Amino acid sequence: GQQLNQSPQSMFIQEGEDVSMNCTSSSIFNTWLWYKQDPGEGPVLLIALYKAGELTSNGRLTAQFGITRKDSFLNISASIPSDVGIYFCAGGYSNTGKLIFGQGTTLQVKP
Amino acid sequence: ETGVTQSPTHLIKTRGQQVTLRCSSQSGHNTVSWYQQALGQGPQFIFQYYREEENGRGNFPPRFSGLQFPNYSSELNVNALELDDSALYLCASSRGGTGSNVRNTIYFGEGSWLTVV
Repeated sequence: GQQLNQSPQSMFIQEGEDVSMNCTSSSIFNTWLWYKQDPGEGPVLLIALYKAGELTSNGRLTAQFGITRKDSFLNISASIPSDVGIYFCAGGYSNTGKLIFGQGTTLQVKP
Repeated sequence: ETGVTQSPTHLIKTRGQQVTLRCSSQSGHNTVSWYQQALGQGPQFIFQYYREEENGRGNFPPRFSGLQFPNYSSELNVNALELDDSALYLCASSRGGTGSNVRNTIYFGEGSWLTVV
């Protein structure tokens, strides 16, 4: 099926470091969403972006909707052990429940 | 806690059998979408229901079908189960609409783990 190109695939970092991950697409979206998924659970929404150029923060998380509407990034500052998990980007459209997901970025944090 | 609840949480079925998965959407949400997530992959869109009608479908065969009820809860049915149908099935709810300015935030349930043997 159709997917976004999400990178990096995995990261292993030291506690306290900053993290950056991004998604690119050949298609234009008018919604970008970032989710975190822990093992055995459903994805939990972290940040939702609705407008090209929009920069939104949620605590230590910051995400931006690319100007071209074909990309987005997520930054995590001062990582902590509970940030461990799989992060997914998803592109979508305003009036539909259909999302296209990236392959995920697995984050591991060393205390 | 997203307010989206799914049942059952885990089940095992035999190849060729049929399965029904259930989902209750978040209060105020009239759109339900279903996704299939294979191990190590991102979720794949199966279909969406809006006001009790299918409103968009991904690349899944007709043996994947669904229903939405007047209270906006939903079912996913899969007939003639195959081994490759083993996956986490996720339900997501949102407040759909026809306006392009609808800020559509989509919330997922915990999922139903299906194993086909």
